Formats: sequence, structure tokens, C-alpha cells
Amino acid sequence: EDKVVQSPLSLVVHEGDTVTLNCSYEVTNFRSLLWYKQEKKAPTFLFMLTSSGIEKKSGRLSSILDKKELFSILNITATQTGDSAIYLCAVEAGENNDMRFGAGTRLTVKP
Amino acid sequence: DGGITQSPKYLFRKEGQNVTLSCEQNLNHDAMYWYRQDPGQGLRLIYYSQIVNDFQKGDIAEGYSVSREKKESFPLTVTSAQKNPTAFYLCASRSRDLIYGYTFGSGTRLTVV
Repeated sequence: EDKVVQSPLSLVVHEGDTVTLNCSYEVTNFRSLLWYKQEKKAPTFLFMLTSSGIEKKSGRLSSILDKKELFSILNITATQTGDSAIYLCAVEAGENNDMRFGAGTRLTVKP
Repeated sequence: DGGITQSPKYLFRKEGQNVTLSCEQNLNHDAMYWYRQDPGQGLRLIYYSQIVNDFQKGDIAEGYSVSREKKESFPLTVTSAQKNPTAFYLCASRSRDLIYGYTFGSGTRLTVV
């Protein structure tokens, strides 16, 4: 059975800290891994990763995929209170390119 | 502006009633999805549709039904057979080329009273 596991489930840091969120997966016919940020309602797209070792970067956020070890990390440097959210990892796989989500990491950034 | 709209934002249902959640998109996306989100469990797929007049069950389809009569619309009905319907429901769409991830609606929070 396909599965996506995120860790930690919850994380509390202070402004300025750097955080690393983890996502490991076991799926059949992997196609891509995606990261989303969910603040209140709709998750918003952050990154899509398809190739190993190529870092994707957007401001203070970056992410990388390791297809050999079957995991991805999402880094956030110099965290701000606005980074507080649930971060969702999703893996697209299978015959129909279904997207399977992890349980999410709830990040709280304190002033 | 293109986007995906879910309504209502909040919905209260009495036990034994069917309710329908609306999802409309003007992005010209072919594929549409319904997910259920419970605390600590991430998103679980209920139903999806990759083309008009066709849809498939996801992991937790029991107690739900959908239709896809128009490309823009993918309503979800929560039937009385769904034993634990209280949850946050998210609709998403995606273009055929699969280049980008999903675009999500703002969700509907359903509470059974």
C-alpha cells in the first residue's frame, strides 16, 4: 500500500530559527513529490520535485528530493510568524497519477 | 481571475440528511478531486474525475456520491450512509498536462448536529 509519512507532526520554533521538515514515501510508479502550505483553508502550492538532487528554492524556502532514499526535505530559513501553517507533502504515483498526502507538519513560529 | 470556488464555507447537517457540497472551477482544468481532511490525518481522496461524465472512487468513497455533468462543476453529496461526515472537505482541480500541482478551493466545513 502506498504511503507518505511526514515528520515531525508538530514543531514550535522562534522567529529567526531554521527548520527542516521531512517527507518519506513508499509508492508504486513515482511521478513527482509536491509541497503545499495550508494556513487556514486552501493549501497553496510551494514546490514540485521530480528529479533527485536538484534543489528548488523560493525565497527562504527550499526543497530537495532523494529518489534513492525515498524522501524529501523542506527547509525554511530565518523563520517568521507568517510561516506558521500546516505543511503538506504529497506524492503523485500509480497508473492514474493519484496524489497521496501525508498527515502534514504543523509549524508554529513564535515571536 | 481564474480559480476554484467551494460553497458553502460552513454547513450543518442533521443526522439522516443528505447534503451537497458545490465545487466550481473556471480554470479549464480537466481533472477534479474531492478530499476529506481530518485532524492529524492529512487529506484522503474521496472521488476524482479526469473527464466529463466519468469519475472514480478514491480511498474513502463509501457514503459519498458525485457527478460530473459539466467540466466546470464537480458536486459532492454526503449521504446519510456516511457514518462520520463531520470534517473539512477540499475540492481541487488540475490541468491535463500535470505540470503543476493542484489548485484547491477554500473548503467546506461540514458539521453534523
